[in-house]
Amino acid sequence: DGGITQSPKYLFRKEGQNVTLSCEQNLNHDAMYWYRQDPGQGLRLIYYSQIVNDFQKGDIAEGYSVSREKKESFPLTVTSAQKNPTAFYLCASDGGTEAFFGQGTRLTVV
Amino acid sequence: KQEVTQIPAALSVPEGENLVLNCSFTDSAIYNLQWFRQDPGKGLTSLLLIQSSQREQTSGRLNASLDKSSGRSTLYIAASQPGDSATYLCAVFYGNNRLAFGKGNQVVVIP
Repeated sequence: DGGITQSPKYLFRKEGQNVTLSCEQNLNHDAMYWYRQDPGQGLRLIYYSQIVNDFQKGDIAEGYSVSREKKESFPLTVTSAQKNPTAFYLCASDGGTEAFFGQGTRLTVV
Repeated sequence: KQEVTQIPAALSVPEGENLVLNCSFTDSAIYNLQWFRQDPGKGLTSLLLIQSSQREQTSGRLNASLDKSSGRSTLYIAASQPGDSATYLCAVFYGNNRLAFGKGNQVVVIP
């Protein structure tokens, strides 16, 4: 089945640690996105990539980093510089007409 | 910058009533609009995609209309059921592969 797979579903991070969230797609889409969702808020764009080896900052990129070494993979690293990382993170891809989302990763700082 | 607004933010309806969810966007230069459903703690599931040349799309009890000139889309859900309880999000495609989302309409259907 084609789709987007995010892992892990739940992630716990100690303060000061970096953590990496995985996002893999087998839809052959060029564009991929990372969003953050907080309770009562809409989706906010962290980073997006339109092609391999290229990516752009979204509206809230500070404290995050990404890479796009392969078309099917777009991992997101939440660094220790992100002051409030507890949130629900969603990865999406877009083939030019329609967007598809993964099931999300819930990150909690302990 | 494209801004998307969804009204009402939350609503409750008795089972069987029709649902009307509104989405407005500030820049009419969009090329697609997509409606999603999100259940608590889950990802987004695509419901309907309307291309900019289309006026509406239908899928079962769902119908979505698009009026680009006025910057509006409406999602109709006929004969609501408790299983329709969820948050519904509207997203517009614009610019160079950019997506803008509304904050969602949180729906509760009361049995």
